[in-house]
Amino acid sequence: DAGITQSPRHKVTETGTPVTLRCHQTENHRYMYWYRQDPGHGLRLIHYSYGVKDTDKGEVSDGYSVSRSKTEDFLLTLESATSSQTSVYFCAISPSGSFQETQYFGPGTRLLVL
Amino acid sequence: KQEVTQIPAALSVPEGENLVLNCSFTDSAIYNLQWFRQDPGKGLTSLLLIQSSQREQTSGRLNASLDKSSGRSTLYIAASQPGDSATYLCAVSGNQFYFGTGTSLTVIP
Repeated sequence: DAGITQSPRHKVTETGTPVTLRCHQTENHRYMYWYRQDPGHGLRLIHYSYGVKDTDKGEVSDGYSVSRSKTEDFLLTLESATSSQTSVYFCAISPSGSFQETQYFGPGTRLLVL
Repeated sequence: KQEVTQIPAALSVPEGENLVLNCSFTDSAIYNLQWFRQDPGKGLTSLLLIQSSQREQTSGRLNASLDKSSGRSTLYIAASQPGDSATYLCAVSGNQFYFGTGTSLTVIP
């Protein structure tokens, strides 16, 4: 398995509070991605990073920000959590980038916003 | 915008049966199509990747086909086993990955 960990694995929070999810990789892969998975929608891309301090928006980026200060870490922040952000969040990595190759996924973080 | 559809949403079969999972997509301008497996509470594991220039890929009991012009892919699982029980997702890549909602497969011993 690719060396990808996510923390926390489970979190319950209240509406309006900030939340940060962490993705950590040991593979030294350039590209990292954040997805959310919701019933009826499949996985949708939130943000991705193509290098340290280089990030871009995905399909559902509103309400989320990201940061990547080190190759191995990619943080996803919900500035002010809302109930619509209740979801399972997955981090993924790919070796040299682009969407022409496979991605390796972390175990996911289950977030509940009350 | 690319739309990816997987039918059926759920499938239950007896052990040993051969089965086919379906995936369709609306935009044929893709780099590749992948099939993933997802076990409950876990991440996705890539099973097969078919480049847009290819027609099929095989791995063990799994065979995936791609007909880009018609926007269809199938995943064929031969001699199904209880350990094959999982959700199977297909994803196509263009300017990003677009995922289907998956087919939940149960193989009954």
